Amino acid sequence: QQQVKQSPQSLIVQKGGISIINCAYENTAFDYFPWYQQFPGKGPALLIAIRPDVSEKKEGRFTISFNKSAKQFSLHIMDSQPGDSATYFCAAKNSGGSNYKLTFGKGTLLTVNP
Amino acid sequence: DAGVTQSPTHLIKTRGQHVTLRCSPISGHKSVSWYQQVLGQGPQFIFQYYEKEERGRGNFPDRFSARQFPNYSSELNVNALLLGDSALYLCASSRAGPEQYFGPGTRLTVT
Repeated sequence: QQQVKQSPQSLIVQKGGISIINCAYENTAFDYFPWYQQFPGKGPALLIAIRPDVSEKKEGRFTISFNKSAKQFSLHIMDSQPGDSATYFCAAKNSGGSNYKLTFGKGTLLTVNP
Repeated sequence: DAGVTQSPTHLIKTRGQHVTLRCSPISGHKSVSWYQQVLGQGPQFIFQYYEKEERGRGNFPDRFSARQFPNYSSELNVNALLLGDSALYLCASSRAGPEQYFGPGTRLTVT
C-alpha cells in the first residue's frame, strides 16, 4: 500500500522556469512533510519541510504548498537552474512519540535544460 | 560540523553471507534511522533507534537487525543475504525532532 503518491515521475523544465512536483497522502495521522533532493550516488538532502498547520512555507527558491483538506502538498522550484537537476522525494511522518519513520514517495527526476 | 558518515562506501557479498554496515550520526544527534533504497525507488524505513532503544521497525524480515551504541553510532546487520537485498542502505540522524539528515549510504551488491 503506497501511502504517499508522487507525480510526475519525470519532469523537464527550461532554465528559469518553475518546476512543480505534487504529492498526495492517505494517512491523516501524518504531521510532518519534508522534501528531499538526491543527486546520483549521494544520500537524500533535506530541502524544506512543513507541518499541516501551515499552508505555505518558502525558503529561497523553494516553496511548499500544503492543502490539508485535499491531503495534498507540492514543491515549487522558482527560477529553476541546471544545478537543480536531481531526483526529488516527498515524504511524510506519523504523529506521536519519538518514532521518526518517514514514508517516501517514489521520486521525481527533474531535468533543467540550459 | 561533520555530517552523517557511513562505512563502507561499497560492498560486494555472495548470497547467504552476512553483512554489517556502520553509521556515525551528526554530533549531538541521539536518533539513528536506517533505510533501504532500491534503484529507482524512494527509501524504505527499516529501523529507528533513539537513545539506544528501538523506536520503530519497518516491514523487513528478521534477517535484518540493528543496534545503537553508547556513543550513538549504529550498526545494521543483514544475515543470509539474498539477491534482492542489493540496494543503497542509508542512515539518517536526528537531534530530537523529525528533521532527518542522511548520510551518503552504503551500496551493497549481492551476487
